[in-house]
Amino acid sequence: GQNIDQPTEMTATEGAIVQINCTYQTSGFNGLFWYQQHAGEAPTFLSYNVLDGLEEKGRFSSFLSRSKGYSYLLLKELQMKDSASYLCAVRGRYNQGGKLIFGQGTELSVKP
Amino acid sequence: GAVVSQHPSRVICKSGTSVKIECRSLDFQATTMFWYRQFPKQSLMLMATSNEGSKATYEQGVEKDKFLINHASLTLSTLTVTSAHPEDSSFYICSAATNGEQYFGPGTRLTVT
Repeated sequence: GQNIDQPTEMTATEGAIVQINCTYQTSGFNGLFWYQQHAGEAPTFLSYNVLDGLEEKGRFSSFLSRSKGYSYLLLKELQMKDSASYLCAVRGRYNQGGKLIFGQGTELSVKP
Repeated sequence: GAVVSQHPSRVICKSGTSVKIECRSLDFQATTMFWYRQFPKQSLMLMATSNEGSKATYEQGVEKDKFLINHASLTLSTLTVTSAHPEDSSFYICSAATNGEQYFGPGTRLTVT
């Protein structure tokens, strides 16, 4: 079966650091994605991991451990505009059409 | 680059009617497009994978006769919600794949009255 778990909601303070965790159990794995989604809008791409380790991109970093089925998204120097839903998604094997399976999303609230 | 558009952005229709939603890749060709549905405060649920020139592959629990998908060209896929009911009211999002990446359209808000 396919199962992707994230916390439903988190709260953090402006200027702080927050880590959003994602665990997954899928029948195939060909990469893990993080997306940001503001209410009423489509998701926007943040990061992609296919090998173990940390990928850094400005204020955002994402980590992957394939053996543990675990990833996290790290947001530094939080800004009010970072308040959004953060979606973890796993891409299946190529022969599964490369489709993405999404977690339920983590609603992040950044407070002053 | 890699822009995906959807039309319409919002649509209100009466129960029992059909609605067509278009998804276009504007500056690239997409052999594969995906259709998602998102209910309020929930995540994206994949409905179907659309491949150019062939039948769509539907996810378990998605009625293929109700949600008709056509992918007639490398830049256009359409989703038709037939005999719409209020429970079909949702946010429908498409994505187009190129070079291993998926690019999302802006979404279509469907309200069935």
